[in-house]
Amino acid sequence: QQQVKQSPQSLIVQKGGISIINCAYENTAFDYFPWYQQFPGKGPALLIAIRPDVSEKKEGRFTISFNKSAKQFSLHIMDSQPGDSATYFCAASRPGTASKLTFGTGTRLQVTL
Amino acid sequence: EPEVTQTPSHQVTQMGQEVILRCVPISNHLYFYWYRQILGQKVEFLVSFYNNEISEKSEIFDDQFSVERPDGSNFTLKIRSTKLEDSAMYFCASREGTGTGELFFGEGSRLTVL
Repeated sequence: QQQVKQSPQSLIVQKGGISIINCAYENTAFDYFPWYQQFPGKGPALLIAIRPDVSEKKEGRFTISFNKSAKQFSLHIMDSQPGDSATYFCAASRPGTASKLTFGTGTRLQVTL
Repeated sequence: EPEVTQTPSHQVTQMGQEVILRCVPISNHLYFYWYRQILGQKVEFLVSFYNNEISEKSEIFDDQFSVERPDGSNFTLKIRSTKLEDSAMYFCASREGTGTGELFFGEGSRLTVL
């Protein structure tokens, strides 16, 4: 019930294309859904996050779409750039500021020229 | 920009040895975490710490692991007797007491157990 399932495992997108990464969760108590970006040798860094009271959140080229009934959320990267090449992790947590993040398995994105 | 700092960046140790990984969380943060990431795998929760005590721990965090905040600024993870399978990147993270709940991660300490 604590799992967050992420797909695809890896993704190759041409520069200027749209990258889409999907996640699904089981625990309906989750109320915070962030996406983290990780470059090799670095720690994860928060990219964008959403709470279930909205169905979409956009920040620049990055958009989260959230489907509460399906228990799914996805990250869309518009106009993908080579600098976006990284590993992306979705995550989820329950209410409460001490609550841990449960991470998905990660998607390695490569944006080609 | 405030950041979580971790030392050492890389430590190599022999199986059975004790290891201490150190972290300096962001100064006004109240909640502290250790996560680990085995090479190529997902980030896994180990333990959370608040108000000088463990809030939650995972099944990975067995009696070989301990955490403490010895001086109000450092937050340490001790592995008492390392095993080969403890080889991983260990990330410290912190969160402030209010607001969005964003977790800030350090750059990690790579532990290699031989």
